[in-house]
Amino acid sequence: AAGVIQSPRHLIKEKRETATLKCYPIPRHDTVYWYQQGPGQDPQFLISFYEKMQSDKGSIPDRFSAQQFSDYHSELNMSSLELGDSALYFCASRHRLAAYNEQFFGPGTRLTVL
Amino acid sequence: EDQVTQSPEALRLQEGESSSLNCSYTVSGLRGLFWYRQDPGKGPEFLFTLYSAGEEKEKERLKATLTKKESFLHITAPKPEDSATYLCAAEEGSQGNLIFGKGTKLSVKP
Repeated sequence: AAGVIQSPRHLIKEKRETATLKCYPIPRHDTVYWYQQGPGQDPQFLISFYEKMQSDKGSIPDRFSAQQFSDYHSELNMSSLELGDSALYFCASRHRLAAYNEQFFGPGTRLTVL
Repeated sequence: EDQVTQSPEALRLQEGESSSLNCSYTVSGLRGLFWYRQDPGKGPEFLFTLYSAGEEKEKERLKATLTKKESFLHITAPKPEDSATYLCAAEEGSQGNLIFGKGTKLSVKP
């Protein structure tokens, strides 16, 4: 079965640079969630989109922005990167009207800021 | 404040030694309680969703149960391949955002 696809899988950036992470949800899933997981930490919710509109916002820094496109893929844009932004970034997707609410996670993008 | 607390933080078992992982939650208007398995450097893998107190679900050696305040993940006769971090998450609000616990790192020795 098709899963959530994230790219790139690994990314190395310098401080103050920008990064763009991409997420391709499972086909027919209309809702995308972004999470950040620091080393040894639990995933923290950043932002979510439903039908291309932002539906909720968590602990996302102002330096970050995201959007969902007409094909339902989503991009997380990160600017003025800081050392503390080094983490695993996960995207999850689900179908809002599905009988069960489980979110399916992608493999993640490991961002390293030097 | 909504939160999810898992215990123990780490658990070492011998192969075949059954045990349980605990997840206690204080979430107003809980819409669902989720269990995920996470291997190092990988995305969380969905295991179970529980919606109401008294509900139970099973999958191979795993069984998840839910009460009004906590959930348990029972592992029966674990094998080394069950070694992973098990995450519990509560769905809050109407948008489906998950609040995760810090996980239990399970190690099963042969």
